[in-house]
Amino acid sequence: EAGVAQSPRYKIIEKRQSVAFWCNPISGHATLYWYQQILGQGPKLLIQFQNNGVVDDSQLPKDRFSAERLKGVDSTLKIQPAKLEDSAVYLCASSPGVLAGYFTGELFFGEGSRLTVL
Amino acid sequence: AQSVTQLDSQVPVFEEAPVELRCNYSSSVSVYLFWYVQYPNQGLQLLLKYLSGSTLVESINGFEAEFNKSQTSFHLRKPSVHISDTAEYFCAVSFSGGYNKLIFGAGTRLAVHP
Repeated sequence: EAGVAQSPRYKIIEKRQSVAFWCNPISGHATLYWYQQILGQGPKLLIQFQNNGVVDDSQLPKDRFSAERLKGVDSTLKIQPAKLEDSAVYLCASSPGVLAGYFTGELFFGEGSRLTVL
Repeated sequence: AQSVTQLDSQVPVFEEAPVELRCNYSSSVSVYLFWYVQYPNQGLQLLLKYLSGSTLVESINGFEAEFNKSQTSFHLRKPSVHISDTAEYFCAVSFSGGYNKLIFGAGTRLAVHP
């Protein structure tokens, strides 16, 4: 079975520019996550989708970050404009579901998209 | 507030020695507990988990962790490590109810030396 696909793997931009990351989850997985992992820190949840609806975006900086999951499959995370502190690895993960009866706690992660903001 | 703390940022150890990576959490509700591992140049993957039942859980490669509710801990142990265990280990907690948001600790870098 194919894993979680992310692109691009690496991106270097100047501050105030924009960038977009794409994620294709494992087929059939209802839940999709975007995490931000800054060097030396653990992954921080930015946004969690259940199918194509947002169930948690409490830590998403909404003045510059946006995310969507059209048709409940692929997802795009956008940063506009980027700041120096946005330099991080952006991890996409998926899981079969989080509602009662489906939750296993196992998230399947992609390899991440490494962003460097200069 | 709900949180998870990994007490050691780095743990150096010699091959075949035992190791313990510590994890504590703070929560007023029931929790699910996990250890994820990230090998060099690879993505995060689940190592083991506690959802319910026996408080001692094991992985296929010899790691084990014990859920201690009174001490709010979920420490990871291995009696004899290998060079191939060198990786970053993340403790993660999900608080029951709602959409089971998964919160990660800051990670512990395990470096196994020959």
